[in-house]
Amino acid sequence: DADVTQTPRNRITKTGKRIMLECSQTKGHDRMYWYRQDPGLGLRLIYYSFDVKDINKGEISDGYSVSRQAQAKFSLSLESAIPNQTALYFCATSDTGSGGYTFGSGTRLTVV
Amino acid sequence: AQRVTQPEKLLSVFKGAPVELKCNYSYSGSPELFWYVQYSRQRLQLLLRHISRESIKGFTADLNKGETSFHLKKPFAQEEDSAMYYCALESSGDKLTFGTGTRLAVRP
Repeated sequence: DADVTQTPRNRITKTGKRIMLECSQTKGHDRMYWYRQDPGLGLRLIYYSFDVKDINKGEISDGYSVSRQAQAKFSLSLESAIPNQTALYFCATSDTGSGGYTFGSGTRLTVV
Repeated sequence: AQRVTQPEKLLSVFKGAPVELKCNYSYSGSPELFWYVQYSRQRLQLLLRHISRESIKGFTADLNKGETSFHLKKPFAQEEDSAMYYCALESSGDKLTFGTGTRLAVRP
């Protein structure tokens, strides 16, 4: 069973649509993260959460919002998708202070 | 602000040749550094962390604070080492800053 599960795996959506990417984990970790991966740019942090009541912006949060529904669930929303948000999105978790992340399999999002 | 630089987008070597994937960082605090690997069609996974001073799958990496580097090395590359490699720096609050990645291609 996957420790960190992302849904959907692939999604094509139209410009202007609202879309939600979901992440759930069975690791029991407090800390969860959303990154996007673009060719030549590596992984960039969008949002992160250290517990259910804690939400923080990363380096590229504009155009995104998140919700930490429970310790195990962390969702990323694009309120009005635009083509330059086409990317591979990764959710990750970490144990407090460990530094090592567990990643999900990613969601490939295409905005047309 | 912290920064991680991986100068090579692609590194191509023959099987059995030595490999060195370069990583340089800038950070005002005490750095915690990691190497992550992403094999084809697999999720990103932790390869090694500098604090453990371990060797994983024959790879090692030494933190050189004077040169602000954390290069990944392997004496004899194998075809199964072909993957995307990311160097990452942990800043305060357990946030990772990733480099842009280096694709390692090991040819038979």
